[in-house]
Amino acid sequence: ETGVTQSPTHLIKTRGQQVTLRCSSQSGHNTVSWYQQALGQGPQFIFQYYREEENGRGNFPPRFSGLQFPNYSSELNVNALELDDSALYLCASVSGSGTGELFFGEGSRLTVL
Amino acid sequence: QKEVEQDPGPLSVPEGAIVSLNCTYSNSAFQYFMWYRQYSRKGPELLMYTYSSGNKEDGRFTAQVDKSSKYISLFIRDSQPSDSATYLCATHTGGFKTIFGAGTRLFVKA
Repeated sequence: ETGVTQSPTHLIKTRGQQVTLRCSSQSGHNTVSWYQQALGQGPQFIFQYYREEENGRGNFPPRFSGLQFPNYSSELNVNALELDDSALYLCASVSGSGTGELFFGEGSRLTVL
Repeated sequence: QKEVEQDPGPLSVPEGAIVSLNCTYSNSAFQYFMWYRQYSRKGPELLMYTYSSGNKEDGRFTAQVDKSSKYISLFIRDSQPSDSATYLCATHTGGFKTIFGAGTRLFVKA
């Protein structure tokens, strides 16, 4: 039990639509990261938020955006969905111990038709 | 070239076998090395963590890092059917971005 919960667990969208995924972080962890995991691949870093500010971003286009709230919950928004956006989206709270350990939720599986 | 290379398998072994999982990486700046385990339909969970080179043992699991050859290994002794999962090697420089390998699917047959 990581204390990280994500919603929804599954959803289906069509090309061009927009989606919002939500994450509730582990208590005490003020840093959250989002990852995209395509089928058969490892997670790919999308971005990270620390105290409501984005402080790192991977190689994803601007239509991937996020928010972090004062209670450290967060959202991932994806606009203009493409077929290749079909993946498992993982939220992780980041350990403050300096090791960078990630505590993942179970993910939101997005299918784009 | 990917920053972290990992053979996706699948790897199938009988119960009780010793399992060896491996990754290579390209960036000598990586300092932190991890192995995550991911069961089907679950998020990854940290299994082993190593800083810089050397070995680390935890029960049936041993992680090795050889920075001179940029090689990361995970050994599982006395493998059990419950070890059947995808094993992801991962690394970072101490910054915000963790880089994962593609993951190796392991099946341990009873």
